[in-house]
Amino acid sequence: GAGVSQSPSNKVTEKGKDVELRCDPISGHTALYWYRQSLGQGLEFLIYFQGNSAPDKSGLPSDRFSAERTGGSVSTLTIQRTQQEDSAVYLCASSYDLFVLSTDTQYFGPGTRLTVL
Amino acid sequence: GIQVEQSPPDLILQEGANSTLRCNFSDSVNNLQWFHQNPWGQLINLFYIPSGTKQNGRLSATTVATERYSLLYISSSQTTDSGVYFCAVSLKLVFGKGTKLTVNP
Repeated sequence: GAGVSQSPSNKVTEKGKDVELRCDPISGHTALYWYRQSLGQGLEFLIYFQGNSAPDKSGLPSDRFSAERTGGSVSTLTIQRTQQEDSAVYLCASSYDLFVLSTDTQYFGPGTRLTVL
Repeated sequence: GIQVEQSPPDLILQEGANSTLRCNFSDSVNNLQWFHQNPWGQLINLFYIPSGTKQNGRLSATTVATERYSLLYISSSQTTDSGVYFCAVSLKLVFGKGTKLTVNP
């Protein structure tokens, strides 16, 4: 596609429910990143993928968070047993190739706004 | 970890004015990007600039990697320039807190 797409654009859920957020990267981009933006914490890194592999999960805030990527394309971020502090905008970005530094520009999707009641 | 500081935190301009936004970072980097977050929340790439100077229309940016800072220049500002400007560094982008720019007509 022309840009990074994310779905849903908005998600309202009840505390304790599981949610899945989806990201479609730019076609041909091998690297994919998840970030979240909240009022208290600003923009923070969660996890990145090179292909289908996630070598660095250090940013995931708890074991309730997980992510996967299949076919080197679409990625899903899953939050289990959601808590109110999970409320934030979840942003996905992609880049051509993580290790080709000259083309490492990250392009962001429009985000998914998650509200946990 | 690496720290990123942006200044000023808030900036109010009249349309047509020029401005300079600054980004300081605490360690050497091989990746630095400037973004504009519009009122709808979309992060828009402005520059990928780990070093040197680039220009794109009314915007230009300079990064002095040896002194660990980057500057974003906005000339002849327009109301559509309003929003938050972020600097981010490293491969797993570490963001500053942003500069909120308001351009009044």
